[in-house]
Amino acid sequence: KAGVTQTPRYLIKTRGQQVTLSCSPISGHRSVSWYQQTPGQGLQFLFEYFSETQRNKGNFPGRFSGRQFSNSRSEMNVSTLELGDSALYLCASSLGGAGDEQYFGPGTRLTVT
Amino acid sequence: LAKTTQPISMDSYEGQEVNITCSHNNIATNDYITWYQQFPSQGPRFIIQGYKTKVTNEVASLFIPADRKSSTLSLPRVSLSDTAVYYCLVGWNTGGFKTIFGAGTRLFVKA
Repeated sequence: KAGVTQTPRYLIKTRGQQVTLSCSPISGHRSVSWYQQTPGQGLQFLFEYFSETQRNKGNFPGRFSGRQFSNSRSEMNVSTLELGDSALYLCASSLGGAGDEQYFGPGTRLTVT
Repeated sequence: LAKTTQPISMDSYEGQEVNITCSHNNIATNDYITWYQQFPSQGPRFIIQGYKTKVTNEVASLFIPADRKSSTLSLPRVSLSDTAVYYCLVGWNTGGFKTIFGAGTRLFVKA
């Protein structure tokens, strides 16, 4: 079956702009989690959505938000971009139970200039 | 929050067994221990997961002592293609699944 897909794969934005990233989970998976990966901070959890509801949230400012649609596809939005938001944004899907294996997408490389 | 500590890097040779230990002193009762592998410019890939004692699959083994304050990922007979970053993470269910990735261990396998 198809894996997790993320679009776009690469994105260049300028400071102050906003951006929306998209993630399509594996068919049947109801949980979608988002992560930010940077060389300095490593992999950091942003938030998790399950059945269109945000179930968990990491320690990121309110500029980072997300949503999940009824077909489990998820979007992540970052407003008022800062240079420090440059990172690889990864999406992972799972069936949704505690401890379930997560399947990661290839990521979206965001560069803020 | 259960924080994990791993060695920053490790070197090995092809054909050797590699053991990577992760410390998680504050692990909670509901926490699972999961290991992921990541190659450059790719998302992490699940390797193995355990709760206690020992778990083995076709690619690795995971050893968890009784106190669960640490765990060891064992990769038998590594090859050059096992060169990657390995993450130990501890997750729990608080009505959802929240994960904390460690800093990762960069494994370099030499010929």
